[in-house]
Amino acid sequence: EIVMTQSPATLYVSPGERATLSCRASQSISSNLAWYQQKPGQAPRLLIYGASIRATDIPARFSGSGSGTEFTLTISLLQSEDFAVYFCQQYNDWPPALTFGGGTKVEIK
Amino acid sequence: QITLKESGPTLVTPKQTLTLTCSFSGFSLSTSGVGVGWVRQPPGKALEWLALIYWDDDTRYSPSLKSRLTVTKDTSRNQVFLTMTNMDPVDTATYYCAHRMVVDSTRVFDYWGQGTLVTVSS
Repeated sequence: EIVMTQSPATLYVSPGERATLSCRASQSISSNLAWYQQKPGQAPRLLIYGASIRATDIPARFSGSGSGTEFTLTISLLQSEDFAVYFCQQYNDWPPALTFGGGTKVEIK
Repeated sequence: QITLKESGPTLVTPKQTLTLTCSFSGFSLSTSGVGVGWVRQPPGKALEWLALIYWDDDTRYSPSLKSRLTVTKDTSRNQVFLTMTNMDPVDTATYYCAHRMVVDSTRVFDYWGQGTLVTVSS
């Protein structure tokens, strides 16, 4: 099973600044990576798939990059509604499994 | 508009079997490429994929939980069912059902239910 490791666990950012989140796969997953945003008490929301393709209605300030084992989610000009937990998910290792990272919480600095 | 909603017991006792229902609208599970998955999240922890059922009845399960899980569907009623046997307190989590995005061979979830918290306790 592919293990997804996200860093840092918590990221402190001021509104208007840039946030850079990392996700590493234990083996190559090509570009088969998605990012989700989750706010307290809510279901996850798909942001990015294919490592860099924004999902429907996702603002352009969210961008994804990377391939192989190293991936980055960048949130430029962080807004108040962007403070949340972000999860990455690989879907290359199929079958047998889809796996998520442990999450990065973006908090107000 | 695609919507999904989970329903089922909020409290189960250890060793009991859990059955959850996902009721959805806005798509059909008889359409080629469509799938519905189940994902759970223990309080304050990460997401864990459990299972995925496709329009053609193909089902996939998390290898670590495969022996305990069964996913079925009722296409005519727009429902998907998740059964998990031998429940344990570590299975306490919010359980989500989600629509698999129908784009190429992607296996990501673009619409999610609100989730249902299941507590396992005697």
